[in-house]
Amino acid sequence: EVQLVESGGGLVKPGGSLRLSCTSSGFTFSNAWMTWVRQAPGKGLEWVGRIKSKTDGETTDYAAPVKGRFTISRDDSKNTLYLQMSSLKTEDTAVYYCTTDPKTVGTTPNYGMDVWGQGTTVTVSS
Amino acid sequence: DIQLTQSPSFLSASVGDRVTITCRASEGISNYLAWYQQKPGKAPKLLIYAASTLQSGVPSRFGGRGSGTAEFTLTISSLQPEDFATYYCQQLSSYPLTFGGGTKVEIK
Repeated sequence: EVQLVESGGGLVKPGGSLRLSCTSSGFTFSNAWMTWVRQAPGKGLEWVGRIKSKTDGETTDYAAPVKGRFTISRDDSKNTLYLQMSSLKTEDTAVYYCTTDPKTVGTTPNYGMDVWGQGTTVTVSS
Repeated sequence: DIQLTQSPSFLSASVGDRVTITCRASEGISNYLAWYQQKPGKAPKLLIYAASTLQSGVPSRFGGRGSGTAEFTLTISSLQPEDFATYYCQQLSSYPLTFGGGTKVEIK
């Protein structure tokens, strides 16, 4: 069974740091492009960023609100994706989901994000 | 960044109703659009990709249409009790990927 399990969420003060993890199983993680999506309380979905596979250069892209503060990385030996968050702000409070990137952005055929974790909650508050 | 405008933001309907949700893109995205369903406390679930292709396992009462900068639509032909949820469109034309604001479908 394909599965993603996030962990590492919690309460952190503004300006603090936190590292989220996403452990995968049931598919070849090293070939996958991986994405973080977040959802603030009562709000919609927001794409946070993506990391390509090592084969494709491990390139990262980030949404403007988190660029320079968040870093996505991966450890293929552990089938694990990470999101290192620093200089946290209250507006970073959200449920953070990891999901697979379909690798087909802007191309045909074009697929959606079909595997999601259950999410981990990050609360930034003093 | 590509903006997606979703409407309505809230929809009240009865079991058996036909409902349509609309998503408009700020620029051309070909058919690079997906639709997701999200229930409270759960992760989003992919329903449709490439604007009109049903994800495996999704009931055929769900349908999608649209292309380019035209109106994209998600239609539920006969609303079932398990369909009451929030629905999001997402463009997969270019990074940063963006989502519509969501449509909450509630029981009338």
